[in-house]
Amino acid sequence: KQEVTQIPAALSVPEGENLVLNCSFTDSAIYNLQWFRQDPGKGLTSLLLIQSSQREQTSGRLNASLDKSSGRSTLYIAASQPGDSATYLCAVSRGAAGGTSYGKLTFGQGTILTVHP
Amino acid sequence: NAGVTQTPKFQVLKTGQSMTLQCAQDMNHEYMSWYRQDPGMGLRLIHYSVGAGITDQGEVPNGYNVSRSTTEDFPLRLLSAAPSQTSVYFCASSGRLAGLRPSDEQYFGPGTRLTVT
Repeated sequence: KQEVTQIPAALSVPEGENLVLNCSFTDSAIYNLQWFRQDPGKGLTSLLLIQSSQREQTSGRLNASLDKSSGRSTLYIAASQPGDSATYLCAVSRGAAGGTSYGKLTFGQGTILTVHP
Repeated sequence: NAGVTQTPKFQVLKTGQSMTLQCAQDMNHEYMSWYRQDPGMGLRLIHYSVGAGITDQGEVPNGYNVSRSTTEDFPLRLLSAAPSQTSVYFCASSGRLAGLRPSDEQYFGPGTRLTVT
């Protein structure tokens, strides 16, 4: 059974710092890995999706890397801002016929990030 | 587009009552899924659907029923609510990129917070 672990569980940093969030998974036979952001009382917003054949994806100040063989992914946030404060979740999926996961994701428990001014 | 909508936002039930959580999407997505989010346990997949008329179980299906009669709607039914079903429920959808290959980018609704007493 796939298990996803996120470290640290919580992180508090001053504004402007670069930071790294970690995600590890036990079964390397994944189809893709996604990073999500969740604000308090809200739904999840997809940040980055990395296919199993890719090594990294970038969007603005966010960069996610994937090392499938070691079962690890990192989310790098550059020049953090108070608006980045949220819970960050990673999720992995197994592939299915048709080249999709059908939305069947296994989530980690999340990292609660606080960026203080 | 409204994206993924869920109703109600909040609900309190007594043990043994039944109810239906509504989920709708207006993006013509094929794939829809239901997750529950509990403190310390992340999100867990309840049921999912790969198209109208096709549903399957996820990791924690017991106590829940689903059906998908249209592409847009994917309701989740609790037949006899139990305190263990107190949770936040999220619906998600994903589809194809302009009719081409499937996209695994997940779109989540805002959630329904359910309390069973």
